[in-house]
Amino acid sequence: TQLLEQSPQFLSIQEGENLTVYCNSSSVFSSLQWYRQEPGEGPVLLVTVVTGGEVKKLKRLTFQFGDARKDSSLHITAAQPGDTGLYLCAGDNNDMRFGAGTRLTVKP
Amino acid sequence: KAGVTQTPRYLIKTRGQQVTLSCSPISGHRSVSWYQQTPGQGLQFLFEYFSETQRNKGNFPGRFSGRQFSNSRSEMNVSTLELGDSALYLCASLITGPNTGELFFGEGSRLTVL
Repeated sequence: TQLLEQSPQFLSIQEGENLTVYCNSSSVFSSLQWYRQEPGEGPVLLVTVVTGGEVKKLKRLTFQFGDARKDSSLHITAAQPGDTGLYLCAGDNNDMRFGAGTRLTVKP
Repeated sequence: KAGVTQTPRYLIKTRGQQVTLSCSPISGHRSVSWYQQTPGQGLQFLFEYFSETQRNKGNFPGRFSGRQFSNSRSEMNVSTLELGDSALYLCASLITGPNTGELFFGEGSRLTVL
């Protein structure tokens, strides 16, 4: 059983489209992180959210932490092929626990 | 600054054998975590070491073990390999910030068990 459930598991879209991926849990986290992993590489940290309701923007990426600090979302505006990768959320629960990820493919 | 280095990058073993994987964290980082990544389960936490002591442990059988040396380098060992142990094993060094830690991952060791 995953502590963090990510949806959708797979997402394939055309360049220029918008998308949102979700990370949900029944547990409360002191913080939540989003990572992106490309083939043959380890995950790389994108953002850390700490406060319930917090919204952070990283260029075309918008991250939101739920008010109850149990869930988060990642919204990408005008997706580009370079956004292709596996997006992982991780919750701080004394150690970092990861979801299974959303595999995003952006077609040119 | 050199990143996290994992060796070997690829290896093939047969059932029943044992394997040792190595991880050198970023210089100055004292915490090392290990994760198993499979397509179906995502990243599963194995264990975390800090200053040569295991600080946290995930829900893996005793066949999975690890250790950390005084120079912060870490090794993990899997004994009596099973087909289901085939996975990408990722090591990450952790730096603790004001709110939480940031994990810096290596490229992983891809283990195939035949």
